[in-house]
Amino acid sequence: NAGVMQNPRHLVRRRGQEARLRCSPMKGHSHVYWYRQLPEEGLKFMVYLQKENIIDESGMPKERFSAEFPKEGPSILRIQQVVRGDSAAYFCASSPRIETFQETQYFGPGTRLLVL
Amino acid sequence: KQEVTQIPAALSVPEGENLVLNCSFTDSAIYNLQWFRQDPGKGLTSLLLIQSSQREQTSGRLNASLDKSSGRSTLYIAASQPGDSATYLCAVKSNDYKLSFGAGTTVTVRA
Repeated sequence: NAGVMQNPRHLVRRRGQEARLRCSPMKGHSHVYWYRQLPEEGLKFMVYLQKENIIDESGMPKERFSAEFPKEGPSILRIQQVVRGDSAAYFCASSPRIETFQETQYFGPGTRLLVL
Repeated sequence: KQEVTQIPAALSVPEGENLVLNCSFTDSAIYNLQWFRQDPGKGLTSLLLIQSSQREQTSGRLNASLDKSSGRSTLYIAASQPGDSATYLCAVKSNDYKLSFGAGTTVTVRA
């Protein structure tokens, strides 16, 4: 059973370009979470999605950021018109269902985004 | 809003010494607390998960304690090894799904 997969692992963009980050959850998992880790900071929750639904996007910046988890295919985190402050590691996690207090989220290796 | 703090930010010890990593959180209404290990360029590996009703969890050389009322957790690593060098993250779950992370403690174990 493959773990959570993210691609690309590293992404370089110039200011103003678009960044697309992909996350394939573990097999059998229908819940996906995105976190962002800025340099020298902890991971910050961005968004929680189920198939075809955004459940909680309270951690997403109001502009330029969007996320989706279609019925088929990976979850996508999209950043439009990137700025240098978007440079960070973006982690995806998945779980099989709404978690009980006993369960954990399984994290992918992350995508390191660098904006020049 | 849950705030999670980890002290110290970095720690360097000789091989064989015991490690003590601290985590504090501001809101004691939690579901559980989890310790993760993060290696450079890699994802997060879950080490220990302590439910809110528990006081500690143990796995091999690792032991984590939880004092929910005071908002504190401590991760102990016995007889440290160079392979223990990594960043250790503390995360608190305050609702069904959202994890709040500390900034981590970066550990270096010198051979």
